[in-house]
Amino acid sequence: GQQVMQIPQYQHVQEGEDFTTYCNSSTTLSNIQWYKQRPGGHPVFLIQLVKSGEVKKQKRLTFQFGEAKKNSSLHITATQTTDVGTYFCADANQAGTALIFGKGTTLSVSS
Amino acid sequence: DAGVIQSPRHEVTEMGQEVTLRCKPISGHNSLFWYRQTMMRGLELLIYFNNNVPIDDSGMPEDRFSAKMPNASFSTLKIQPSEPRDSAVYFCASRDYSGIKPSEQYFGPGTRLTVT
Repeated sequence: GQQVMQIPQYQHVQEGEDFTTYCNSSTTLSNIQWYKQRPGGHPVFLIQLVKSGEVKKQKRLTFQFGEAKKNSSLHITATQTTDVGTYFCADANQAGTALIFGKGTTLSVSS
Repeated sequence: DAGVIQSPRHEVTEMGQEVTLRCKPISGHNSLFWYRQTMMRGLELLIYFNNNVPIDDSGMPEDRFSAKMPNASFSTLKIQPSEPRDSAVYFCASRDYSGIKPSEQYFGPGTRLTVT
């Protein structure tokens, strides 16, 4: 069935270091949504990528969609303690009516 | 807007008891989703509704689980009888689905269920 794989599962960084999480699929992704879940919280929408090769930025966060639409990445520059949480990517199902979530990458940051 | 509202926020019950989780989606949203989150299995889609109609319940783990959406502003997820392995955080999410453009989902705060 349709699956979205995320790596790494966990990442610990020192404050100020960069962080990247990757989202991969064996099939073509229709569109990618990224969500962030703070510890004890709920997933919150960050951004959506639709076009092949698309790059979007939100302050220190850079989101990319692969040229072949089979992968996506989220890069955080100079992490801060406020970046702590789990980052999920999600792809639309074939009907476009629901999302298939990856397992997420949990980021911890030490100051 | 108050966002997606879920109740209760925490539920502790004994094995065999019936559990009912409630969700009020964002006003105007026409799609509603129920998810279950555990450390082992991550975020799993259980069932979703479009315009109050269940579209796909293939994620519902067993017949012990049932969900209803009697109107556009209310949905329930019921577990009867509950088992310890049902312990998880249950999220409800809603979105405005036009059928044309993908749109983001808005999650509620979740219900943390513990079955002893």
